[in-house]
Amino acid sequence: GNSVTQMEGPVTLSEEAFLTINCTYTATGYPSLFWYVQYPGEGLQLLLKATKADDKGSNKGFEATYRKETTSFHLEKGSVQVSDSAVYFCALKTGANNLFFGTGTRLTVIP
Amino acid sequence: NAGVMQNPRHLVRRRGQEARLRCSPMKGHSHVYWYRQLPEEGLKFMVYLQKENIIDESGMPKERFSAEFPKEGPSILRIQQVVRGDSAAYFCASSRGIEEGTEAFFGQGTRLTVV
Repeated sequence: GNSVTQMEGPVTLSEEAFLTINCTYTATGYPSLFWYVQYPGEGLQLLLKATKADDKGSNKGFEATYRKETTSFHLEKGSVQVSDSAVYFCALKTGANNLFFGTGTRLTVIP
Repeated sequence: NAGVMQNPRHLVRRRGQEARLRCSPMKGHSHVYWYRQLPEEGLKFMVYLQKENIIDESGMPKERFSAEFPKEGPSILRIQQVVRGDSAAYFCASSRGIEEGTEAFFGQGTRLTVV
């Protein structure tokens, strides 16, 4: 079946620190992989995506590389800001558009 | 182009009442998905609809829950005889299709509280 396992939080970092949030997946077939971000009281926004092995998705300084050999899609950012404080969800989809989400990782960035 | 619109944003119901959650997809989108987010958990897929048809309801409880997406008007997620365990955030997403590259856009959610 399809499932996503992501690093449990919460994660607290100082501003300008390096961020890694781990995500691994199990999927039937060849999934597309996504990172979504949820700011307080808001819905989910697509942050970045990758549709095939070795693709790198990037947006707003965040990056993630689709690693088929390790079934991983870790999220990284070189220098986090206070405004990056949110909950981050790793997700996959195969075929139809119903997404399978991880449990989310809450990131708090302190000045 | 307005995004996915959900209403109400917050809904309080007493145990045993009915909850009706509405979702208006983005213009041009005919595919709608409903997800439930329990406190401190990720989103769980409930149901996928395409105009007037339920395509996949594998994630929806068999009893008390129903969903529709009529030819005209918003998609409705209906929960009958609500219980405390139904308290959650319910998110709707819409897409133009299911082909690669047709991204799903999410609404801001309806937060249901059962008292």
